[in-house]
Amino acid sequence: DIQLTQSPSFLSASVGDRVTITCRASQGISSYLAWYQQKPGKAPKLLISAASTLQRGVPSRFSGSGSGTEFTLTISSLQPEDFATYCCQQLNSYPLTFGGGTKVEIK
Amino acid sequence: EVQLLESGGGLVQPGGSLRLSCAASGFTFSNYAMSWFRQAPGKGLQWVSAISGTDSSTYYADSVKGRFTISRDNFKNTLYLQMNSLRDEDTAVYCCAKTYLGGSSSGFDYWGQGTLVTVSS
Repeated sequence: DIQLTQSPSFLSASVGDRVTITCRASQGISSYLAWYQQKPGKAPKLLISAASTLQRGVPSRFSGSGSGTEFTLTISSLQPEDFATYCCQQLNSYPLTFGGGTKVEIK
Repeated sequence: EVQLLESGGGLVQPGGSLRLSCAASGFTFSNYAMSWFRQAPGKGLQWVSAISGTDSSTYYADSVKGRFTISRDNFKNTLYLQMNSLRDEDTAVYCCAKTYLGGSSSGFDYWGQGTLVTVSS
């Protein structure tokens, strides 16, 4: 199984901050990585597919990069509605796996 | 508008069975692979099972292989998860999700709100 190591697991930041979350795969997964945002009691929201493709309707302050084993999600200027948990998912092979998640809280 | 509506969850004793359903609307169901995911209280997301759109190839997490069966009815636009030999550790909210571009390598762009499965004596 492909393991995804996400860091940090917790992040305290202020509105306007630039935030970067890293996801490392235990083996190469090309660009088969997605990023999701999840808020309490809500379904996950697909932010980025194929490592760097922004989903329609997702603000341009979100961006994704990377390929192979190292990936990043960047929020260029954190907004109040961005405080949530973010997780990566590999889609290269079954079983599909997730990173452990990064909870972004208000400083 | 895409909608996914799960049903069938509930309280079941260890060793028991449940059948979850996911009614889909707002898209051509047969064109898309679908998956079931679960999230235990206070835990992260876990993929459970997937099924392709047309040839109905199926895939399972090791933790459920041999106990759970995924299926779909493309005429009824419904996804199913038959869960047998349930264990305490299967307790979670179960969600169905639609792939973004049809194949499972593209991510999941629509998710249901989930149905709670509680396994307890």
